[in-house]
Amino acid sequence: EAQVTQNPRYLITVTGKKLTVTCSQNMNHEYMSWYRQDPGLGLRQIYYSMNVEVTDKGDVPEGYKVSRKEKRNFPLILESPSPNQTSLYFCASSSYSGDTGELFFGEGSRLTVL
Amino acid sequence: AQTVTQSQPEMSVQEAETVTLSCTYDTSESDYYLFWYKQPPSRQMILVIRQEAYKQQNATENRFSVNFQKAAKSFSLKISDSQLGDAAMYFCAYRRTRSNDMRFGAGTRLTVKP
Repeated sequence: EAQVTQNPRYLITVTGKKLTVTCSQNMNHEYMSWYRQDPGLGLRQIYYSMNVEVTDKGDVPEGYKVSRKEKRNFPLILESPSPNQTSLYFCASSSYSGDTGELFFGEGSRLTVL
Repeated sequence: AQTVTQSQPEMSVQEAETVTLSCTYDTSESDYYLFWYKQPPSRQMILVIRQEAYKQQNATENRFSVNFQKAAKSFSLKISDSQLGDAAMYFCAYRRTRSNDMRFGAGTRLTVKP
């Protein structure tokens, strides 16, 4: 089954404790991205990757890091989480070839930073 | 930067009735995609309908249809014969062709009354 898998789905952590949210897709997509969803703001892009070893900042990159060492994986790293990073996070992917424009989303990761 | 505006934070509809959700966007591009995504309580982002800007014909998917007005930069979603399962947050989204990100509106929460 074609899918984007994120883990963990839920996480409660404390300020300053490094954490990683993993994302993996099995569709051989070139493009992957991370979004955060906050009430009244919709989804905003954090980082994106056009392909392996190619990453760039989105609209709200402060406090986050990413890496793309393999095509299928695109982890989101919070080196020192703060309460304002409490949010719902989505990983998404899409293909350039036969591009339909559609993004395929993971199931979301609810993060709470105390 | 492209922006997407959903002016209705909340809408409600009676079961079996029809409801229209509004969306406007701002862009100087001529080639792009527009989407409506549904987010039920499970948080999963589900593609409802997609429209390519070069197509004049409005997209339709079963009970869901759009009214795409390119000159007015308007992209509304009509849900006919509303069902209880249609209750969700609905996001309008814009993506320039072969671009690296998708822009989302703030969302409209739809309630369906039995």
